Amino acid sequence: EDQVTQSPEALRLQEGESSSLNCSYTVSGLRGLFWYRQDPGKGPEFLFTLYSAGEEKEKERLKATLTKKESFLHITAPKPEDSATYLCAVNDYKLSFGAGTTVTVRA
Amino acid sequence: GAGVSQSPRYKVAKRGQDVALRCDPISGHVSLFWYQQALGQGPEFLTYFQNEAQLDKSGLPSDRFFAERPEGSVSTLKIQRTQQEDSAVYLCASSGRDRGYTEAFFGQGTRLTVV
Repeated sequence: EDQVTQSPEALRLQEGESSSLNCSYTVSGLRGLFWYRQDPGKGPEFLFTLYSAGEEKEKERLKATLTKKESFLHITAPKPEDSATYLCAVNDYKLSFGAGTTVTVRA
Repeated sequence: GAGVSQSPRYKVAKRGQDVALRCDPISGHVSLFWYQQALGQGPEFLTYFQNEAQLDKSGLPSDRFFAERPEGSVSTLKIQRTQQEDSAVYLCASSGRDRGYTEAFFGQGTRLTVV
């Protein structure tokens, strides 16, 4: 059974203070690792898909990387609007999600 | 529409009442998924449709849960004789390819509260 563990559970950052979120996974065969952002009261919003170790994707202040056992979501110089819960999931046609990391960025 | 649409956004049901939750996927999307999200947790898979065929219902928690997608577009998740433990956000997602392996786009969810 696929397992996804995210850490930390919560992260409080000062505006401009860069940090990283971790997603560790155990799967029989990785067919894709996905990062989503979820704001309170809304559905998850797709950010990135990574398929193979060594792959990297960037979008604005976010950068996702992938190894054979984990993925990192790096937030560079975050702004208050980056505050959200970030979810990681692995895909065997259906997504298996971690519990998420709630990021709060203070101005 | 441009995105996945779910209705109602909020539903309060008395214990024992039946409820029906609707999902309008992105037009043309073949795959449709239902997930259940408890407070503070990630979404948990419930069921998967490819067009009108329900290919996986292994995540449905009990036989009180039933989903259908009769014409391969709109889907309905029905919960019979609701219990307090059914209180959660129910999310619908769709993706454009068979069997996933690509990004899925989520609706806003329906928050179900059973009192």
